[in-house]
Amino acid sequence: GIQVEQSPPDLILQEGANSTLRCNFSDSVNNLQWFHQNPWGQLINLFYIPSGTKQNGRLSATTVATERYSLLYISSSQTTDSGVYFCAVNAGTYKYIFGTGTRLKVLA
Amino acid sequence: ETGVTQSPTHLIKTRGQQVTLRCSSQSGHNTVSWYQQALGQGPQFIFQYYREEENGRGNFPPRFSGLQFPNYSSELNVNALELDDSALYLCASSKGQVDYGYTFGSGTRLTVV
Repeated sequence: GIQVEQSPPDLILQEGANSTLRCNFSDSVNNLQWFHQNPWGQLINLFYIPSGTKQNGRLSATTVATERYSLLYISSSQTTDSGVYFCAVNAGTYKYIFGTGTRLKVLA
Repeated sequence: ETGVTQSPTHLIKTRGQQVTLRCSSQSGHNTVSWYQQALGQGPQFIFQYYREEENGRGNFPPRFSGLQFPNYSSELNVNALELDDSALYLCASSKGQVDYGYTFGSGTRLTVV
């Protein structure tokens, strides 16, 4: 099955810094989503982005499906950005396969 | 619009018991997917319900079963609980089976002792 790897696994930032999170997948995918899991376990959908680029405030994402990767950009990070970021891919079945996650901690 | 709500938020059960978890989908969504998330790992797909029928299942045994009701809400039932079933159970609703983004509920944290 498809393997989904995220990097870096852990990231510590000072408030105000920018960061780029990467999601690599081993085969062609039809759909891709980015999620933020807050410290209470809630998964928040950030982007549904099977291809192209999207922006929402300080966050933006780019998926290059032909090269099998997606990037999530966080600018001017805030302490509330802390948590785990997951990408999840779908390859024509009913399930999404989640990546290994990037654990982000933003320091005040 | 109302989001996805799950109940209960926390639950402690004894090995061998049965449990039912509930999920109300977001308004306008007709598909519900269930995921299990063990501590420190990413969510794993259990199954999906669309129009009251199961139309996809992950690598989970038959003692994991579910239902979807006409109002698109859903239940996850687990029989003969095992210690390894301890996890966060997440429900996600969407407008369709795969070509739409998910909205997740806040989850039910199940502890089996």
